[in-house]
Amino acid sequence: GENVEQHPSTLSVQEGDSAVIKCTYSDSASNYFPWYKQELGKRPQLIIDIRSNVGEKKDQRIAVTLNKTAKHFSLHITETQPEDSAVYFCAALNPAGNQFYFGTGTSLTVIP
Amino acid sequence: NAGVMQNPRHLVRRRGQEARLRCSPMKGHSHVYWYRQLPEEGLKFMVYLQKENIIDESGMPKERFSAEFPKEGPSILRIQQVVRGDSAAYFCASSPRTGPYEQYFGPGTRLTVT
Repeated sequence: GENVEQHPSTLSVQEGDSAVIKCTYSDSASNYFPWYKQELGKRPQLIIDIRSNVGEKKDQRIAVTLNKTAKHFSLHITETQPEDSAVYFCAALNPAGNQFYFGTGTSLTVIP
Repeated sequence: NAGVMQNPRHLVRRRGQEARLRCSPMKGHSHVYWYRQLPEEGLKFMVYLQKENIIDESGMPKERFSAEFPKEGPSILRIQQVVRGDSAAYFCASSPRTGPYEQYFGPGTRLTVT
């Protein structure tokens, strides 16, 4: 099955700096890659996603890039704010389209 | 449109008891997924159900765990004879269709086995 690895596991940045989280996947046929944000004790919420026919997608301060050849995708958060502090999970959808494989999460801390 | 509902939010069980976790998907969603999240770990897929059918249970432990999504009512994840290692947060998610679409997560049930 698919295997998703996520790095780093923890990340601290100063407010206003950028944060980058990277994920790799193993199944080249995977075709959908969402990113979820989970605040402490709350449910994961989708913040951005990308499909395999697109190389980059941006939504205000958040962007995701996908390199299909290298089988990796990254989350970029610019001009970070304290409210960006949370755990971020990447995921890959298996080719059958019925199962998400999640990375182990990145705990992001934005220091005011 | 109410989001995905889960209850109870917190559940305490003694070893050997049964735990029943309920999930009501978003209105119009017929696809339900259950995930387990151990402390400081990611989400692990357990099972994918549609109404009255288990589509993929490859992530479910072979013993003590079962899931259902009846024609009427919520999806239920059932854990029999719970052990301490079952302590975790259990999230369900729903989507309107299978494939490359967002899954909407519920608030989770935090199970503690004493």
